[in-house]
Amino acid sequence: GDKVKQSPSALSLQEGTNSALRCNFSIAATTVQWFLQNPRGSLINLFYLVPGTKENGRLKSAFDSKESYSTLHIRDAQLEDSGTYFCAASGSNNRIFFGDGTQLVVKP
Amino acid sequence: EAAVTQSPRSKVAVTGGKVTLSCHQTNNHDYMYWYRQDTGHGLRLIHYSYVADSTEKGDIPDGYKASRPSQENFSLILELASLSQTAVYFCASSPGLGVTGQLYFGEGSKLTVL
Repeated sequence: GDKVKQSPSALSLQEGTNSALRCNFSIAATTVQWFLQNPRGSLINLFYLVPGTKENGRLKSAFDSKESYSTLHIRDAQLEDSGTYFCAASGSNNRIFFGDGTQLVVKP
Repeated sequence: EAAVTQSPRSKVAVTGGKVTLSCHQTNNHDYMYWYRQDTGHGLRLIHYSYVADSTEKGDIPDGYKASRPSQENFSLILELASLSQTAVYFCASSPGLGVTGQLYFGEGSKLTVL
């Protein structure tokens, strides 16, 4: 989407390595959500954030509303982490805007 | 665990035909949404609802209608399906935090219009 830019668009990782995905916003975002779309097509909630950070297992996400970006860090990547990661931001216009996703492939 | 179920999961329709996609949630959430996903892209909002018997237009409502007969059920209706409406459609629900609450998605409905 033009309001939410995700980078990189695609990424290949070796199992056990770390990486970071990023979303930049051209709106004044107030909340951010991260989802994983698995190879079956299901959308899985990862994080719902107001400005700050959250951590869940090997995943950690940060949202900086002043600098208009959010990151998703993956530590010790596993094969089951493969899929497409989407971020979605909402702002004062009461809409949620999705990015176009980062396709992640974790290789053994 | 949030539960949003969609039916059918897959459908082939003919151009000009009528298509109804159904969504049922057991989360007791006020808000329900219909999103469209095109290959290689994120999701775009078609219609949403925050109370039974009322629906609101999203960002791409043209060619679609919505119906919310109860808190649990939300349908998306394509009166005259067109080739350009071939996509995967996702229903979602969220708690009463406004349109920007945390989304819980169904499994998606793949629609192919021939």
